[in-house]
Amino acid sequence: NAGVTQTPKFQVLKTGQSMTLQCAQDMNHNSMYWYRQDPGMGLRLIYYSASEGTTDKGEVPNGYNVSRLNKREFSLRLESAAPSQTSVYFCASSQDWEEKLFFGSGTQLSVL
Amino acid sequence: KQEVTQIPAALSVPEGENLVLNCSFTDSAIYNLQWFRQDPGKGLTSLLLIQSSQREQTSGRLNASLDKSSGRSTLYIAASQPGDSATYLCAVTGSSYKLIFGSGTRLLVRP
Repeated sequence: NAGVTQTPKFQVLKTGQSMTLQCAQDMNHNSMYWYRQDPGMGLRLIYYSASEGTTDKGEVPNGYNVSRLNKREFSLRLESAAPSQTSVYFCASSQDWEEKLFFGSGTQLSVL
Repeated sequence: KQEVTQIPAALSVPEGENLVLNCSFTDSAIYNLQWFRQDPGKGLTSLLLIQSSQREQTSGRLNASLDKSSGRSTLYIAASQPGDSATYLCAVTGSSYKLIFGSGTRLLVRP
C-alpha cells in the first residue's frame, strides 16, 4: 500500500520555466491538498480539493494552478516559476476534510 | 484569523525523561486538532487526532489533550527514546475546513 506518492522528489528550475508536480493516492480518499513548507513559516495550504471535480484556493495560491484529474490524482502546476517559489512541496490526502491527513514524502524545488 | 503557536521551538532531553509539548490556538471554534511527527527530509505522519468533543487521545507512549476553551493542547511523551527525535507539529481544523499548522517543536532525545 503506497499511500500518497509524489513525483519528482527534487527539481531545479530557472526563473520563468514551468513544471507540474504530480501526486497520487491509493486510499480512495475524497480530499486532497497541496502545501508548501518554508523555514520559519510552517506549512501553508496552496490549494485543496474537497472532492473529485472541485478545487479551492488555500492561503497562498498565487502563481499556482491545480487539476484534480480523477479521484486518485491531484497535480500542482507552476506556470512561470519565481525564486520565491523555492520550497518543499507536500501533497496530502484525507478521507474527508475533517479526517486524519496522510502526507507524501515531498518535492524539494529550487528556482534559480 | 486562526493562529497556531508551538513553544518551545526546540527541546533537548535525556533518554527516559517524560516530556510535554505545547500547542496553542487563537480561535476555539475548531473541529479537531492533529499532532504530527516529521523526520528530517520526510513527510508528516499523523500521530493523534482529537475531535473537538474529546478531551484526550492516547496511542502507546503518546497522550494528547485538548482544552478548547483555553485554546491549548499538549502532547505528552512518556519514557522518551532517541527514536522519538523529530519535529512535532500540531494543526487545527477550523471553520474554514482547512488545517492551520504551527511551526513545530524540534525534539532531540539524547542517549
